[in-house]
Amino acid sequence: DGGITQSPKYLFRKEGQNVTLSCEQNLNHDAMYWYRQDPGQGLRLIYYSQIVNDFQKGDIAEGYSVSREKKESFPLTVTSAQKNPTAFYLCASRRESNQPQHFGDGTRLSIL
Amino acid sequence: LAKTTQPISMDSYEGQEVNITCSHNNIATNDYITWYQQFPSQGPRFIIQGYKTKVTNEVASLFIPADRKSSTLSLPRVSLSDTAVYYCLVGEDYGGATNKLIFGTGTLLAVQP
Repeated sequence: DGGITQSPKYLFRKEGQNVTLSCEQNLNHDAMYWYRQDPGQGLRLIYYSQIVNDFQKGDIAEGYSVSREKKESFPLTVTSAQKNPTAFYLCASRRESNQPQHFGDGTRLSIL
Repeated sequence: LAKTTQPISMDSYEGQEVNITCSHNNIATNDYITWYQQFPSQGPRFIIQGYKTKVTNEVASLFIPADRKSSTLSLPRVSLSDTAVYYCLVGEDYGGATNKLIFGTGTLLAVQP
């Protein structure tokens, strides 16, 4: 079945540590996105990529980094510069403009 | 990008029809209206998308008046499993540079037996 796979489902980070969240899609979608969701709130865009080897900052990119070396993969690194990383992280992809985005089931990141 | 406003919460009973209205006064000419459903600890799931008038699929209907400043998601005969947060979004531009979704806080629909 085609879809978006995020791993791990739960992740714990120590202070000062970088962690990488995985996002893989087999939908052959060009565009991929990373969102952050805090309790009781909607999603906020961190980074997005419309094509391989290209990505753009979203509304809250500070403290995060991404890469897009392959069409099917869009990993997100939460760096130590992100002072409040505890959140639910969602990855999405879509085929083209005005087509709906498809989401993975998220990774919940917590600080030890 | 257009901002959306929708009720924070709604209550219903099993078997009833539920209508959730969203206002988007600043919707642009090229914007579509999209609704998503989200369960706790899961990613949002696409429900329906429309541009004008009425769109219907196997799970919902979307009603959009001529001025497009609002839209109504209609869920027929809800069940307990429809308890979730429902998000209304506009602003996925045609080939635009942003291509991003603006999520509000959504509407928490609680379906009771």
